[in-house]
Amino acid sequence: DTAVSQTPKYLVTQMGNDKSIKCEQNLGHDTMYWYKQDSKKFLKIMFSYNNKELIINETVPNRFSPKSPDKAHLNLHINSLELGDSAVYFCASSHQTNNEQFFGPGTRLTVL
Amino acid sequence: GENVEQHPSTLSVQEGDSAVIKCTYSDSASNYFPWYKQELGKGPQLIIDIRSNVGEKKDQRIAVTLNKTAKHFSLHITETQPEDSAVYFCAASIRYGGATNKLIFGTGTLLAVQP
Repeated sequence: DTAVSQTPKYLVTQMGNDKSIKCEQNLGHDTMYWYKQDSKKFLKIMFSYNNKELIINETVPNRFSPKSPDKAHLNLHINSLELGDSAVYFCASSHQTNNEQFFGPGTRLTVL
Repeated sequence: GENVEQHPSTLSVQEGDSAVIKCTYSDSASNYFPWYKQELGKGPQLIIDIRSNVGEKKDQRIAVTLNKTAKHFSLHITETQPEDSAVYFCAASIRYGGATNKLIFGTGTLLAVQP
């Protein structure tokens, strides 16, 4: 199936830990994104990469570090997790010449 | 700053009735307006979009209208069915540099279709 996939789907961890979320797309897109959806369902962009280059960085704490090893993958590493990091994180992808963004299924992060 | 307002926040309709969700945006440079449907526990799914050179677009029971002068755009769902129940998000896209775009999302509308 052509899609945007994320792992893991659920992540429960303690404050202060470091964790990573992985994203892969097989749609042939060259641009990938990370979004955060809070408890009120508000969706906000965090980062965007185009051809492995960071394009958008929306006032996200330095504890969040995205990494794009190739055009098909965009991972998110979070250091020193805080309670306020609890949210659903969505990966998305699009083609440079087309605005249509396709979202993954999300990763629900719970920080205890 | 960039902002997208969405109304109503909740909408309950009887099966077969129509549903309308409205959004306004602040940045006159916005040129692409997608609508997403998010079912419980799933990611947002693109259901229809409209670009700034078009005033209306229809796909079966779903239609979108755009008024660039007023900076308004709306989603219309006719003959609603229980499976239309979900959270719907509007968004406005802004070109960011030459290589990507940024989506500014509305706050979402929880649509409940009563059988």
